[in-house]
Amino acid sequence: DAKTTQPNSMESNEEEPVHLPCNHSTISGTDYIHWYRQLPSQGPEYVIHGLTSNVNNRMASLAIAEDRKSSTLILHRATLRDAAVYYCILRRVGGYQKVTFGTGTKLQVIP
Amino acid sequence: NAGVTQTPKFRVLKTGQSMTLLCAQDMNHEYMYWYRQDPGMGLRLIHYSVGEGTTAKGEVPDGYNVSRLKKQNFLLGLESAAPSQTSVYFCASSYAGSSYEQYFGPGTRLTVT
Repeated sequence: DAKTTQPNSMESNEEEPVHLPCNHSTISGTDYIHWYRQLPSQGPEYVIHGLTSNVNNRMASLAIAEDRKSSTLILHRATLRDAAVYYCILRRVGGYQKVTFGTGTKLQVIP
Repeated sequence: NAGVTQTPKFRVLKTGQSMTLLCAQDMNHEYMYWYRQDPGMGLRLIHYSVGEGTTAKGEVPDGYNVSRLKKQNFLLGLESAAPSQTSVYFCASSYAGSSYEQYFGPGTRLTVT
């Protein structure tokens, strides 16, 4: 199974952009890149996903490298509510794949 | 819509006791999942189901059983609880296929003494 690598923790000042990196050098051409986040004492929540092209939604943007070996989740203006653990996971096209959430990146937002 | 709900929210068991955790979703999702999360760790998949009447093992299935008798419900059973099963348990559901997001419940905090 393809694996992802993320930094353990990152810090950001409030109202500044945040770029959360994820390496997935063994990604398959049929793997979707999904991002989830987990706020303290809550279940994970979906943030964004993509396959090849960059994606935007109301929560964030996802920038995918041309070779797809890495991606970056972009929060355009961090708020205190964005302090969470962010998980980058891969899911294969064509049915269910056992995915592993890993330990993610703990984002601290400084007021 | 309530989304994904889990019952109970908290539970304390003695070693050897049994219990069932209930997960319910009202989004007509085909896929359902059970995860556990230990302190400082990511989520690990216990069992999952791709449809009513079907279940499959995930990453850490030992000591757990599941059933999906109705599309909207996914039950996780512990037949003989052990302290190593102390954890927070999350249920999730999604539409079929890998391009759909999973929706998670609020979790059940289980302590086995």
